[in-house]
Amino acid sequence: GNSVTQMEGPVTLSEEAFLTINCTYTATGYPSLFWYVQYPGEGLQLLLKATKADDKGSNKGFEATYRKETTSFHLEKGSVQVSDSAVYFCALSDSSNYKLTFGKGTLLTVNP
Amino acid sequence: DTGVSQDPRHKITKRGQNVTFRCDPISEHNRLYWYRQTLGQGPEFLTYFQNEAQLEKSRLLSDRFSAERPKGSFSTLEIQRTEQGDSAMYLCACTQSSGSNPDTQYFGPGTRLTVL
Repeated sequence: GNSVTQMEGPVTLSEEAFLTINCTYTATGYPSLFWYVQYPGEGLQLLLKATKADDKGSNKGFEATYRKETTSFHLEKGSVQVSDSAVYFCALSDSSNYKLTFGKGTLLTVNP
Repeated sequence: DTGVSQDPRHKITKRGQNVTFRCDPISEHNRLYWYRQTLGQGPEFLTYFQNEAQLEKSRLLSDRFSAERPKGSFSTLEIQRTEQGDSAMYLCACTQSSGSNPDTQYFGPGTRLTVL
């Protein structure tokens, strides 16, 4: 079956530091890959996605590249802000019914 | 605001009671999904509908759980004889399977269930 493994947190960084959150996956077929973000007290929001190998998703300064050869979709940001503090979830979408399989989430705290 | 609403936002109940949650998806979205998220974990798939048809149920969905989408619009998730292990956040999401981004799901704010 499908599965997602992401770097366990918590991750604590200072403002303007570089961020990487690792994510690897196991899937049949050709899934789409996602990063969702959950800010404190809010619901899940789509951060970015990539639908095929070598695609790069980007949004709000965050980037992730769909690497089929390493089955990875690592999240990066060059300079984090306090407002980026949240829980980040890596997920994949089943290619037949689009149901999502999530990783366990990574709590990011950015200090001023 | 994604346009997906869930009601209630919080529910506290005693063990053994029945509870029902409602999800109102984006109006033109024909697929509706339910997930459960426990503390410190990612959401886990429970079931999904295409229009009014329930097409798949996870093994997580015991026979105490039932979901409906009677007219292909809103959906309800009922838990009978609640147990403490049912305490979780219940999330609803939707997508349009024939749209340009059928794989992109939009989530509601969730219903947090606490079973005492």
